[in-house]
Amino acid sequence: DAGVIQSPRHEVTEMGQEVTLRCKPISGHNSLFWYRQTMMRGLELLIYFNNNVPIDDSGMPEDRFSAKMPNASFSTLKIQPSEPRDSAVYFCASSRQTGTGGNSPLHFGNGTRLTVT
Amino acid sequence: ILNVEQSPQSLHVQEGDSTNFTCSFPSSNFYALHWYRWETAKSPEALFVMTLNGDEKKKGRISATLNTKEGYSYLYIKGSQPEDSATYLCAPSSSNTGKLIFGQGTTLQVKP
Repeated sequence: DAGVIQSPRHEVTEMGQEVTLRCKPISGHNSLFWYRQTMMRGLELLIYFNNNVPIDDSGMPEDRFSAKMPNASFSTLKIQPSEPRDSAVYFCASSRQTGTGGNSPLHFGNGTRLTVT
Repeated sequence: ILNVEQSPQSLHVQEGDSTNFTCSFPSSNFYALHWYRWETAKSPEALFVMTLNGDEKKKGRISATLNTKEGYSYLYIKGSQPEDSATYLCAPSSSNTGKLIFGQGTTLQVKP
């Protein structure tokens, strides 16, 4: 099992540019989460999907952020336009939920370190 | 908004010491409680998922307990080793959809 795969590992971009982060969950997992890690706020939940459907996007900072999951094996997080305050490490995680209530552990990708100058 | 508090924020112990951390969360609408271990330059890794009041889980020298009625969980490390140095995160789920909100973590440093 290759685990959760995120790309790119590092992204450096200029303010105003569009940034797209990618995630491939573990095969067979039906839940996918996007988190952002910053020194100030720790691991912050941005959005999560169950069976490819967005369930809760209340953590998405503003309209500049969007996420999609077109199929069970791929998700993207897009920032357009990017700003310096978006600089952070973005983690994708997946799990195989059985029943209800978050009873299965999350498997995290290696993260994408984003720097916006 | 789910308020998750972890204490202490950081901890320095000597090799061989036993230690414990606390995770506090609202006791209403409880579904599950997760513990993760996060080493520097790596990704968080799951330690335990607990769902029932009174649950106790153990993995080697690390164990955890859960009290859903009062809204807390303890993580214990017996005989700490330098390789236990990491940040330990808890994440309760208060939603039947599996939404997980992480606490700020307890950072453990074990000195040889």
